[in-house]
Amino acid sequence: SQQGEEDPQALSIQEGENATMNCSYKTSINNLQWYRQNSGRGLVHLILIRSNEREKHSGRLRVTLDTSKKSSSLLITASRAADTASYFCATKRTSYGKLTFGQGTILTVHP
Amino acid sequence: DGGITQSPKYLFRKEGQNVTLSCEQNLNHDAMYWYRQDPGQGLRLIYYSQIVNDFQKGDIAEGYSVSREKKESFPLTVTSAQKNPTAFYLCASSIGNRGQGLSSYEQYFGPGTRLTVT
Repeated sequence: SQQGEEDPQALSIQEGENATMNCSYKTSINNLQWYRQNSGRGLVHLILIRSNEREKHSGRLRVTLDTSKKSSSLLITASRAADTASYFCATKRTSYGKLTFGQGTILTVHP
Repeated sequence: DGGITQSPKYLFRKEGQNVTLSCEQNLNHDAMYWYRQDPGQGLRLIYYSQIVNDFQKGDIAEGYSVSREKKESFPLTVTSAQKNPTAFYLCASSIGNRGQGLSSYEQYFGPGTRLTVT
């Protein structure tokens, strides 16, 4: 089964609203990363949060990590139509481990 | 321009033929990866390489082969043994080395190659 699982599978909001996506995982991790993918394109890295960190910000993005609940959330504030994309979390279990991707959340922001 | 490139963007092949997908990076990254993405799915790791002349199988290596003769290049061959080769293939690279681990840093992705086998 997937190490990272995103929730919801799809999210539809209006421009200006906030979007929250969640990621749950099963085993302990070294770090967790969020990526964005526009339709038919490669992935773009958004944020990396290490297991000893609880929150990180980057522009309109805020990522939290709760290792006791084995979960992370990605918040996009004041969303724009250009934020429409699929968002993936990826977990790295150990220092030498590979990244394991979840199935993604499809975000649609309506103008 | 620094980055990672994949060619071609679209590739069509007949069943039973081998096909090689190109991946080149000029980011001076040690580690390179190949992933497969099926519709509505996440990425699954096919092969990865931490350093030149070395590579390891990922989670779904059967029916695929790779080489890493140069730091900049990591071509993927989809062989006729791959039962369901039609998919979107993504190449990525990262700084990661054996001291820091494969994925201590973010991965940079190419634009992908969409392979259709009929």
